[in-house]
Amino acid sequence: AQRVTQPEKLLSVFKGAPVELKCNYSYSGSPELFWYVQYSRQRLQLLLRHISRESIKGFTADLNKGETSFHLKKPFAQEEDSAMYYCAPLPYSGGGADGLTFGKGTHLIIQP
Amino acid sequence: NAGVTQTPKFQVLKTGQSMTLQCAQDMNHEYMSWYRQDPGMGLRLIHYSVGAGITDQGEVPNGYNVSRSTTEDFPLRLLSAAPSQTSVYFCASSRGVAGYEQYFGPGTRLTVT
Repeated sequence: AQRVTQPEKLLSVFKGAPVELKCNYSYSGSPELFWYVQYSRQRLQLLLRHISRESIKGFTADLNKGETSFHLKKPFAQEEDSAMYYCAPLPYSGGGADGLTFGKGTHLIIQP
Repeated sequence: NAGVTQTPKFQVLKTGQSMTLQCAQDMNHEYMSWYRQDPGMGLRLIHYSVGAGITDQGEVPNGYNVSRSTTEDFPLRLLSAAPSQTSVYFCASSRGVAGYEQYFGPGTRLTVT
């Protein structure tokens, strides 16, 4: 079965500290990889996707094929980064429900 | 372009009542899906559709029905509400499944007493 693991349910860091939200996946082949963010009482929205290789709001995500990880990082956390973050590695092949699977999410709290 | 819309935003039901959560998208997306969001459980897929007339079950389908008569609409029906169905429900759509961004609705907060 395809699996997505976000090991931290809750991550609390101080403003200005580095942030790393972990995501590990177990898929055959090479999935497309996404991070979604949900600010308080808002809808989920795409934060970034691996294929675009871009930095959004200071966040980057590194694909490590050897470790099958796609951790989200930011060097200096800001209070507005407080949100729920979901990892979603979506497989290219097969599709179906496997292509709609999210991790359980990490609640990031940035303390002032 | 409204994107993905959901109604109602909030709903309170008594155990045993039925209701339909509405979802519509105006992006001509083939794929639509319903998730429930619960603390500590993340997003769990209830049902999904790969096009008009085609639906399939996700991870937690029991107690819910769906139909897809048009590309735009994907309603979720609760047949006989139970307290375990208290949750926030999100509808999403995408051009495809593998490798495509999903666009989410604003959510419906449902409480079953």
